[in-house]
Amino acid sequence: GAVVSQHPSRVICKSGTSVKIECRSLDFQATTMFWYRQFPKKSLMLMATSNEGSKATYEQGVEKDKFLINHASLTLSTLTVTSAHPEDSSFYICSARDPQESTDTQYFGPGTRLTVL
Amino acid sequence: DAKTTQPTSMDCAEGRAANLPCNHSTISGNEYVYWYRQIHSQGPQYIIHGLKNNETNEMASLIITEDRKSSTLILPHATLRDTAVYYCIVRPRGGTYKYIFGTGTRLKVLA
Repeated sequence: GAVVSQHPSRVICKSGTSVKIECRSLDFQATTMFWYRQFPKKSLMLMATSNEGSKATYEQGVEKDKFLINHASLTLSTLTVTSAHPEDSSFYICSARDPQESTDTQYFGPGTRLTVL
Repeated sequence: DAKTTQPTSMDCAEGRAANLPCNHSTISGNEYVYWYRQIHSQGPQYIIHGLKNNETNEMASLIITEDRKSSTLILPHATLRDTAVYYCIVRPRGGTYKYIFGTGTRLKVLA
């Protein structure tokens, strides 16, 4: 199956700083990628849909100015957590679909664990 | 909101079949049933999906009831590495359709 990578796998930052997380589709082009966050022992919560060449679509309750999403190419979407606070500490996961596959399967990245001190 | 209901947790003996149920009584005609699993601190992994016919692949089998209101994921010979949270998701096919995750079933395979 297709492979989605994320970088970094874990990051620790100070409160008030910004952190960028990258999501890459390694062997396919993805016009749409999705960003999720997951708190310990909780399910994945969809944050936003990242669209190549256009603005991201955010889920209700997700601050678009705090979680900046850029999908500048067909293989890369970035999530920037601006002015991070301890409550932003979470596991962030992206996913993408290979449009060449008929199964319409979404492939998920390995996740990025963010800790804000 | 997620359209599925799953038991919170289940145990299964190693080597036995694990049968994970999912209720999706409000499923629409164009919605597929997808199953993913998430091993601790990793991204979800695709297992299988189906519309109305039963499906089988190298990982699992998916049994969908005739009225499509529920389904069962079967892991025929569970191993310790199958310990994970299993998510059942219903959605239409199409890349822009969102995945809405429910709480999933925490499967523990016991030695």
